[in-house]
Amino acid sequence: KNQVEQSPQSLIILEGKNCTLQCNYTVSPFSNLRWYKQDTGRGPVSLTIMTFSENTKSNGRYTATLDADTKQSSLHITASQLSDSASYICVVKGNNRLAFGKGNQVVVIP
Amino acid sequence: DGGITQSPKYLFRKEGQNVTLSCEQNLNHDAMYWYRQDPGQGLRLIYYSQIVNDFQKGDIAEGYSVSREKKESFPLTVTSAQKNPTAFYLCASSPFGDRVSEQYFGPGTRLTVT
Repeated sequence: KNQVEQSPQSLIILEGKNCTLQCNYTVSPFSNLRWYKQDTGRGPVSLTIMTFSENTKSNGRYTATLDADTKQSSLHITASQLSDSASYICVVKGNNRLAFGKGNQVVVIP
Repeated sequence: DGGITQSPKYLFRKEGQNVTLSCEQNLNHDAMYWYRQDPGQGLRLIYYSQIVNDFQKGDIAEGYSVSREKKESFPLTVTSAQKNPTAFYLCASSPFGDRVSEQYFGPGTRLTVT
């Protein structure tokens, strides 16, 4: 069973609208959690990193949250733009190991 | 994509042929990694190297080989033994010689084997 589960698998949103992506993990012990953005045919680029003591962190229109008790994280995209169309990958660092989610595929339409 | 380059971007090969994917970084990072990405699946670790002249198998090393003769370079050879070689291959590097520092990814190579 994958240690990092992301939902929804894919979604389509209208330009200008907000959306929230979910990441649930079972990795233990937990060290940190990163959200990456991967444009089609490109390598992933880090958006945010969340450590155990952090609840919220923003990077422009991207806001990540972490609830270490329930082992859940979310990535909120505000006022989406066409350039937000990408796969968003949740990566959890555990004990000398990285666990990758399968990604949330986001398509923003005009 | 930072200072990591992968070449070529697209690669086509006939079944039964070995093929080598290039990965170079100028970030002075100690560790380098190779991942495979298939549609609908998360990244899977093929091989990683924490220092020059040393490398370790990842989760799906069968049918692949690597070398780390220079700090900047970590080429991956996909051998004819790899049953399903068609995939998107990502190289990454990290500053420290462990497996869990932030990893910086290259632009990827899409390999198609027919």
